[in-house]
Amino acid sequence: GQNIDQPTEMTATEGAIVQINCTYQTSGFNGLFWYQQHAGEAPTFLSYNVLDGLEEKGRFSSFLSRSKGYSYLLLKELQMKDSASYLCAVRDNDYKLSFGAGTTVTVRA
Amino acid sequence: DAGITQSPRHKVTETGTPVTLRCHQTENHRYMYWYRQDPGHGLRLIHYSYGVKDTDKGEVSDGYSVSRSKTEDFLLTLESATSSQTSVYFCAVAGTSGTDTQYFGPGTRLTVL
Repeated sequence: GQNIDQPTEMTATEGAIVQINCTYQTSGFNGLFWYQQHAGEAPTFLSYNVLDGLEEKGRFSSFLSRSKGYSYLLLKELQMKDSASYLCAVRDNDYKLSFGAGTTVTVRA
Repeated sequence: DAGITQSPRHKVTETGTPVTLRCHQTENHRYMYWYRQDPGHGLRLIHYSYGVKDTDKGEVSDGYSVSRSKTEDFLLTLESATSSQTSVYFCAVAGTSGTDTQYFGPGTRLTVL
């Protein structure tokens, strides 16, 4: 089975940096994904890590440590439009995704 | 948006009635998935398909069935809806192999009274 944990809520100020942690315990591992989901909308793909290290994509970066079962999503230069839920998902060896419950990030002016 | 539509977008029904949700894609993706999303649980996989007439169960498949008679359509049926099936249902697609990123449709909000 899969157990994926991430904080429920985080609040940060516009222009600041926020780090969302995700820890996982899974029966198989074939990559870790981060999705963004605005209220009432579909999840949209942000990043993918399968090897250890940092992947950078503009203001967003994602880090993976497979030995520690740990990932984080780093959001820099926060904007109001970044207020959303961020979903951590682990792909198993059968290529199915298991999701954490999501972290709601609120950006304040 | 990976060319995904879901219908209906909203539905209210009564306990015990059958309900079918449709996912339609226009980009010939091989893999299709049905998830439900509930507060505190995140997205949970109901069923998935890896080709026409090839389907398999996910984590929360009880009370649901699926069919895929052509590449572009993946149907989710609740044979006899219950209040516990009130949820938001998302369809997702992935490319020619299971290693591809999954992209999500707009979702269907289902309320069972």
